[in-house]
Order: sequence, then structure tokens, then C-alpha cells
Amino acid sequence: GAVVSQHPSWVICKSGTSVKIECRSLDFQATTMFWYRQFPKQSLMLMATSNEGSKATYEQGVEKDKFLINHASLTLSTLTVTSAHPEDSSFYICSVRRTSGINEQFFGPGTRLTVL
Amino acid sequence: AQSVSQHNHHVILSEAASLELGCNYSYGGTVNLFWYVQYPGQHLQLLLKYFSGDPLVKGIKGFEAEFIKSKFSFNLRKPSVQWSDTAEYFCAVNARDRDDKIIFGKGTRLHILP
Repeated sequence: GAVVSQHPSWVICKSGTSVKIECRSLDFQATTMFWYRQFPKQSLMLMATSNEGSKATYEQGVEKDKFLINHASLTLSTLTVTSAHPEDSSFYICSVRRTSGINEQFFGPGTRLTVL
Repeated sequence: AQSVSQHNHHVILSEAASLELGCNYSYGGTVNLFWYVQYPGQHLQLLLKYFSGDPLVKGIKGFEAEFIKSKFSFNLRKPSVQWSDTAEYFCAVNARDRDDKIIFGKGTRLHILP
């Protein structure tokens, strides 16, 4: 499978600060990347679809002004959690989809965010 | 919109027992189906996928799944489990004629007793 990296793998921040999480596709160019959120012992919840060169598409109930997504290149998407609060503490996972071919996604290792 | 239901939240088995994890989806159109596994402390890995063709799909580590269209099901099976199969298993669906989104079920936590 393809290699997807996320940085950082774990971050702790104070309430009210902003945190940026990077997702990189190392094996191929990805027009589309996805951001998921996983609460402890729960499933992955799709937050948004990140499209290179255009605005991200957010799922219902996800605040676009709080979770800023920038897909500036075909190998990098960033998720910025703005004015973080303790309830934003979660595991954030990105996935990348091949630009061509069938819809197969490859997942990153995730970033654990803890907001104090 | 498509959705996925996994019936078993937590399954405990002894080594060498047979495994079947249930998965049902709701969507009237054409779907792609997936099973992912998440080992403790690790990231999601694809076990197997169904896009078209033979409805019985074989994946890695001896797992297989059968797509039964009439039942909207994609159950995961393994004839003899090992302690190393302890993990969380997620069924997922993509509505092929709509968009790229993959929607996940709530997961089944599998615990294998040595």
C-alpha cells in the first residue's frame, strides 16, 4: 500500500491556541485527501474532503471556520484546529486517494490531539 | 446517504475458533465495500475490498468476506483465528456512483484469548 505520513503524531496544547496537522502522500500525487476524526473506542467520522487547489467540502455538523483545511499541493494537506478546546481532543486521521483509477484510500498513522 | 451497520461491538474468541463479523450497509446503488483492521497502537490497514466480480473476496492474513447483494451484507470470516488477530475491525462502504467518500461502521473489537 501507499505511504501516508502525518505530523505531528501527538500534540498537547493549551485551550484557545491553534494546532496545525500535516498529511503527506509520499508515494503518489493525491488530488483528493480526506480528514477523519476518531473518538476513543469509536469509529472514524469523516470531517471533510480536501481537494487540491479548491475549497474543502465539509460534512454536516463540522465547523469549517474551526477546522481549516488547506490542500496546497498534490502531496500535502493541512488541518488547523483553531481556538482549540478540550472537547476537540481526539485522534485525527487523514487518508489519500489516488488521482486516477479505482477508489482506494490509504490512511495515515493519525495525530493524537490533547487540549488542556 | 449510505450507512454501515456492524452488529457485534465486542467479540471474544479462543484461538483456533472460527470468526464471522457481520456488516450490513444501506444504499440502493452500486457500492465498493471494505474491511479495515486497526491493531492496538497502529493505524488503519486494508484487509480486503470488493469492487466487482467474484462476490467472495480473499484478503490478507487468511481473511475473506462475501458480498451478498440481496442482503446488503459483507460479512468478514476467518476459519481459525490467532491471538495476533486481536484488533478492531471496521467495515466501510463507498457509493460508487456518487462520490469518493468512504463511510465507516462503528467497528467491532475482537479479543482473542491465547
